[in-house]
Amino acid sequence: SAVISQKPSRDICQRGTSLTIQCQVDSQVTMMFWYRQQPGQSLTLIATANQGSEATYESGFVIDKFPISRPNLTFSTLTVSNMSPEDSSIYLCSVLLGELFFGEGSRLTVL
Amino acid sequence: EDQVTQSPEALRLQEGESSSLNCSYTVSGLRGLFWYRQDPGKGPEFLFTLYSAGEEKEKERLKATLTKKESFLHITAPKPEDSATYLCAVHHAGNMLTFGGGTRLMVKP
Repeated sequence: SAVISQKPSRDICQRGTSLTIQCQVDSQVTMMFWYRQQPGQSLTLIATANQGSEATYESGFVIDKFPISRPNLTFSTLTVSNMSPEDSSIYLCSVLLGELFFGEGSRLTVL
Repeated sequence: EDQVTQSPEALRLQEGESSSLNCSYTVSGLRGLFWYRQDPGKGPEFLFTLYSAGEEKEKERLKATLTKKESFLHITAPKPEDSATYLCAVHHAGNMLTFGGGTRLMVKP
């Protein structure tokens, strides 16, 4: 299994600002994923972050809005840029280690 | 188009009333099907992975099965603490992961 720590666990932000979410894993992993879970909804994949290469974004998500860093095999960040109330969601980091494991999520509220 | 559909969207059971949750999928190159439990305000908690049709896995009151088109999560004699949202996700060709919409389960004492 994997222990995944996300920071912050929650935050309230003002419209137009940006927030960076950190994800730390207790073991080295090749593939890390960032998901969004809007209120009452299931999970939607934002992007796949592999160490040593640029992140791969899913349809509807772009790098300018959700820049991702993956500096090493245990850490990644997701930035939500120029936030609007529609960005209010839980953002989840996950890793594939045989099974797919998730962090506890970062609950973001944009006013 | 790859799709994962869960049914029902919501399910209310009395304590001890067994039932099943369904996850049907149409994807190319299935690599695995995951089941998760998610409590409010928390990240999904891994339950099972199934890799091939005919495979079954059990954990306490939960049993997951897999066919070529769908998976079932059977809940035997549920308790109120089993109340949660249950998510299935399919790992398929191209290392894609697609989630279903989830089933919100409520078990009343």
